[in-house]
Amino acid sequence: DTAVSQTPKYLVTQMGNDKSIKCEQNLGHDTMYWYKQDSKKFLKIMFSYNNKELIINETVPNRFSPKSPDKAHLNLHINSLELGDSAVYFCASSQARRGYTFGSGTRLTVV
Amino acid sequence: AQSVTQLGSHVSVSEGALVLLRCNYSSSVPPYLFWYVQYPNQGLQLLLKYTSAATLVKGINGFEAEFKKSETSFHLTKPSAHMSDAAEYFCAVTEGAGNTPLVFGKGTRLSVIA
Repeated sequence: DTAVSQTPKYLVTQMGNDKSIKCEQNLGHDTMYWYKQDSKKFLKIMFSYNNKELIINETVPNRFSPKSPDKAHLNLHINSLELGDSAVYFCASSQARRGYTFGSGTRLTVV
Repeated sequence: AQSVTQLGSHVSVSEGALVLLRCNYSSSVPPYLFWYVQYPNQGLQLLLKYTSAATLVKGINGFEAEFKKSETSFHLTKPSAHMSDAAEYFCAVTEGAGNTPLVFGKGTRLSVIA
């Protein structure tokens, strides 16, 4: 069983479209995150949720909207996609004394 | 605010040589420190972590790291490089006990020459 699973793994879409990336964890962790890895491999935190509550919202355009229906799921919806949104997006989860687990990533390409 | 500096965006070593990847951190509270490895087109795999127990931490694949508070460092080493070690390596810091985000360094790409 995959601990943190993201779908889709690859996403190619045109500018202006709206798309969603889904993330689910089966570890029972309380906290979930979205990270963006840019073309230079830099990993930057976007959002952090704890028990479905938004804790951290870094300087991210309003076009990005996270949704956490329950503590096992954290989805990322992106409106009006731009070329600069092309990146690899990683979902992760964590729990005190249990560490951090990352998903395998979603490679988003905007054309 | 926490931060991580990884010295050297690219390190190249010969097969069988010592691997040393440098990481310095900044944190206002005792930190939790991590090293992750990312192989091409793959996700992040945890190599090892320091959580205020032993200062010398052993990880997977023969890697280890030593926490030095006086130098604010957490350098990653491996005695003998293998071709399969070629990858991107990330150092990360957090101040929480597991409910605060990891702050990553910019990564170091390790190349291993035959």
